[in-house]
Formats: sequence, C-alpha cells, structure tokens
Amino acid sequence: EAGVTQFPSHSVIEKGQTVTLRCDPISGHDNLYWYRRVMGKEIKFLLHFVKESKQDESGMPNNRFLAERTGGTYSTLKVQPAELEDSGVYFCASSPLVGPSGANVLTFGAGSRLTVL
Amino acid sequence: KQEVTQIPAALSVPEGENLVLNCSFTDSAIYNLQWFRQDPGKGLTSLLLIQSSQREQTSGRLNASLDKSSGRSTLYIAASQPGDSATYLCAVLTGANNLFFGTGTRLTVIP
Repeated sequence: EAGVTQFPSHSVIEKGQTVTLRCDPISGHDNLYWYRRVMGKEIKFLLHFVKESKQDESGMPNNRFLAERTGGTYSTLKVQPAELEDSGVYFCASSPLVGPSGANVLTFGAGSRLTVL
Repeated sequence: KQEVTQIPAALSVPEGENLVLNCSFTDSAIYNLQWFRQDPGKGLTSLLLIQSSQREQTSGRLNASLDKSSGRSTLYIAASQPGDSATYLCAVLTGANNLFFGTGTRLTVIP
C-alpha cells in the first residue's frame, strides 16, 4: 500500500514568491490534514479536510495560505506571497473515516521543507 | 489550550541501556496519545497509540504508559540500539480531532 506522498521534498524560494505544496493521501482516506513545523517549535495543526470539504481550518496562520482538495483526492497548499517566517516543514497526514468509538490513526507523509530567503 | 511538553529535549545513551522519555499535557480531555518517531528527511512513524481508557501499550522493546488524570505519558525503550537514534514525538488527539505535538526528544544511542 502506498503511503502519503508529498511533493516537493524541498523548495527554496525568495520572499514574495509563490509556492504550491502537494499531498497525495492514502487511497480511500477521506480525512486529510496539513501540519507545519517551524524551526525550534512543535508541529502544529493547520487544517483538516473531510473529502473535499474543509472541516477545520482554525490553524491556518493567515490569508496568504490557501488549501484545496478538489475532488476529495489530493490536496494542495499554496503560500502566496511567501514570507520568511513561513519557512519550515509542512506535513500532510491522512486517515480513514472512523466511527465515534474508533481510533483515528493518522499516517504522515515525509513532509515538504520550505525555505524562504 | 492544550500544551504538550517533552523532557528531555535531547538524550545520549550508550548502546544497551534502558531509557525513559517523558511527555506531559495540560488538558486531560484527550481521545488518545501517540508516540511517533521521526528520522531525518523522513515522515512521522507511529510507534504506539494509547486510547484514553488504556494505561499502557507495548510493542517489542517499546512500552508506553498513560496517566490521563495527571497528564503524563512515558515511553520506555529497553536495551537501546544505535538504530533507535531518532527524534521521538508525543502527540495527543483532542475532541477537535486535532493532534497536539510536543517539541520532541532527540535520542542518540552511542555504539
């Protein structure tokens, strides 16, 4: 079974440019999450999709970040325009839909490292 | 607001030693707690998941405990090996279906 795939693995851009990160979840996983780790800090939640709908985007830092999941399959996270503080590792995770008593076990991708100069 | 703390931030031990990693969280209203391992350039690998109703889980040389009322968890690694060197992350799942992570403990096992 293929895992969660993220692309690119590393992106270096200049301040003010645009970057789009992509996540391909495990096939059949309706839940898709984006997390971010900035230097020296803990991994933090950005947003959660259930199929193509945004279930929770309370962690999105500001309106320079736009996440989409058209068709409920892969997702993209666009940063436009990028700022220095956006540098970090962006993780994607997916999980199947579970019932109220089930365990929600997320499978994480390898992450996309973003460096903004 | 849930906060997760991991102590120590870094740990070096000689091969063969047993060791304990600590995790504490401020809000006991959690669904489960997970321990992850992260290797450089790799994703997060789930090691153990403890449901809020459970007290511990074991997998091979790993044993994780959970004391939900006191907001604490430990990860015990027996007979450490150089291949155990990695960053270990603790995360709790809240009612909002979000994972709150600690900053991790970087473990180095010296051959």
